[in-house]
Amino acid sequence: KAGVTQTPRYLIKTRGQQVTLSCSPISGHRSVSWYQQTPGQGLQFLFEYFSETQRNKGNFPGRFSGRQFSNSRSEMNVSTLELGDSALYLCASSLEGGSTYEQYFGPGTRLTVT
Amino acid sequence: GQQVMQIPQYQHVQEGEDFTTYCNSSTTLSNIQWYKQRPGGHPVFLIQLVKSGEVKKQKRLTFQFGEAKKNSSLHITATQTTDVGTYFCAGSQGAQKLVFGQGTRLTINP
Repeated sequence: KAGVTQTPRYLIKTRGQQVTLSCSPISGHRSVSWYQQTPGQGLQFLFEYFSETQRNKGNFPGRFSGRQFSNSRSEMNVSTLELGDSALYLCASSLEGGSTYEQYFGPGTRLTVT
Repeated sequence: GQQVMQIPQYQHVQEGEDFTTYCNSSTTLSNIQWYKQRPGGHPVFLIQLVKSGEVKKQKRLTFQFGEAKKNSSLHITATQTTDVGTYFCAGSQGAQKLVFGQGTRLTINP
């Protein structure tokens, strides 16, 4: 079974721009969660999507948004980029989502904001 | 909000020594998961604990869930260079989102 894939793997953007990251979960998995990983803050939960609906949301500003398509693929969008948004963005898929199923992480997208 | 504290933040050991990382929550957890992230890699699921006082073993790794379901530990016996990485615990209340600890970065002197 193919693992979780994320595109692009690396991205450099300028302050004020917006960016869209993509995540394809493992086949059959209906839940996709997004995390921001930085050296200082660890793994911070952004949001979880299940069957095209946002089920949980972390404490991030409204500039961070996401969606999930009918094939379970998910996208995350960050508008009006700030320098502090530089991070590794990880998506994780799981069978049913929530907190009781193991999560399979993708390789991440390394975003650098200059 | 729910917080999961993990200590220590860093641990350096000689190969062959034991290693332990601890995870603490101020609230009762319904379950706890452990992940390992190798340098330059992504987190990989190791195990999930659900029951109070539960102990699970995977070869040289021993995972424990506290009686009060507020703390957990991961112990590695006789570390090897392949154990290098950052170990994360992640807990939740009910079916809510997983909250990750800050992680413990393990480095090993061969």
